[in-house]
Amino acid sequence: QVQLVQSGAEVKMPGASVKISCKASGYTFSGYHMNWVRQAPGQGLEWLGWINPNSGATNYAQKFQGRVTMTRDTSINAAYMELSRLTSDDSAVYYCARDGTPTGGLDYWGQGTLVTVSS
Amino acid sequence: DIQLTQSPSSLSASVGDRVTITCRASQSISPYLNWFQQKPGKAPKLLIYAASSLQVGVPSRFSGSGSGTDFTLTISSLQPEDFATYYCQQSYSTPRTFGQGTKVEIK
Repeated sequence: QVQLVQSGAEVKMPGASVKISCKASGYTFSGYHMNWVRQAPGQGLEWLGWINPNSGATNYAQKFQGRVTMTRDTSINAAYMELSRLTSDDSAVYYCARDGTPTGGLDYWGQGTLVTVSS
Repeated sequence: DIQLTQSPSSLSASVGDRVTITCRASQSISPYLNWFQQKPGKAPKLLIYAASSLQVGVPSRFSGSGSGTDFTLTISSLQPEDFATYYCQQSYSTPRTFGQGTKVEIK
């Protein structure tokens, strides 16, 4: 069965960076784009971007350009999202989600990683 | 960026009620509209993709319709487990924006 398992919660100081992992199993990792979505406390969903695990190509939301880096390691079927220059506004739950339908529906999600930015 | 506006922002309904949530896009996005359900503390769950295709394993009381800029999620007979927040999302272009959400509460 398809599973996306994310790394654990993080607490970071303002200005620091955070790198979250998403380990995939149960399907051909390189065959599906991996998206990253975040949700601030009590707020809605916000898309950060996606990575093509096959080619490594990325597509980032303009809002995060220059601060976000998505990478992958196909040898261990893992995707990574690194966000730099953190502020308190980046405190959120971060999800990875597989782009699993022909029209871009996100059909499998990780369990979420809580990132808290606080001094 | 494509803006998605959901209505209503919240609603109260009873078990057995028919519930309709709408999502309006700032430009035509057919058929690249998806619907998600999210319960507190959980990841979103895909219900409908391509505006009207039911995701595998989702009960048939959920349906999606619409085209162009106007889309609808319908729950034909609300069940206790359906009380949650619902989001639409467009996958027509990046950034892949979400609606602001509709919270379905118990009346």
